[in-house]
Amino acid sequence: AQSVSQHNHHVILSEAASLELGCNYSYGGTVNLFWYVQYPGQHLQLLLKYFSGDPLVKGIKGFEAEFIKSKFSFNLRKPSVQWSDTAEYFCAVNPGYSSASKIIFGSGTRLSIRP
Amino acid sequence: EAGVTQFPSHSVIEKGQTVTLRCDPISGHDNLYWYRRVMGKEIKFLLHFVKESKQDESGMPNNRFLAERTGGTYSTLKVQPAELEDSGVYFCASSQDPGGTYNEQFFGPGTRLTVL
Repeated sequence: AQSVSQHNHHVILSEAASLELGCNYSYGGTVNLFWYVQYPGQHLQLLLKYFSGDPLVKGIKGFEAEFIKSKFSFNLRKPSVQWSDTAEYFCAVNPGYSSASKIIFGSGTRLSIRP
Repeated sequence: EAGVTQFPSHSVIEKGQTVTLRCDPISGHDNLYWYRRVMGKEIKFLLHFVKESKQDESGMPNNRFLAERTGGTYSTLKVQPAELEDSGVYFCASSQDPGGTYNEQFFGPGTRLTVL
């Protein structure tokens, strides 16, 4: 069965620290990969996505993620976090055969930034 | 343009009662999805409508859950009778017609269901 693993349940950082959130997935075929974010009191929203092409994708608010096919990984990075990045982050995949199919989510990583 | 809306935002019911959740997708979106997050766990897929047809209902937990999308617009998810383990946040999402390019799923705010 397809699954997504996020390595950290809760990450606490100080402002300006660098961030890397780990994500691994299990699916043998072509996949579309995503990071979603849910800020406190807000909707789940798409942070960035990978479909094909350059494995280093850039998203909103200075976030980027790198797809490493051989490692089945899609880690999220940001060189310098801000207090406003406090949120819950979800790694997710869907099978590449249809972009309209279900999304499989990881369990989420709560990020807390100390001002 | 209005986003995906869900009603109610929060529902508290007793075990054995019935609850109906509603989702209004973004206008013109043929695809509608239901997901659920039980506390502390991952967001799990429940089912997917394409217009009024159920495309994939592999995630529905059991026959106490009934989803409908009459007319291909809004959708309802009924839980009858509710059990304690049904507590969680129910998310709805919608996306456009799957015409070959990627269709982003836009999520609603969720309905928090508490079963006592």
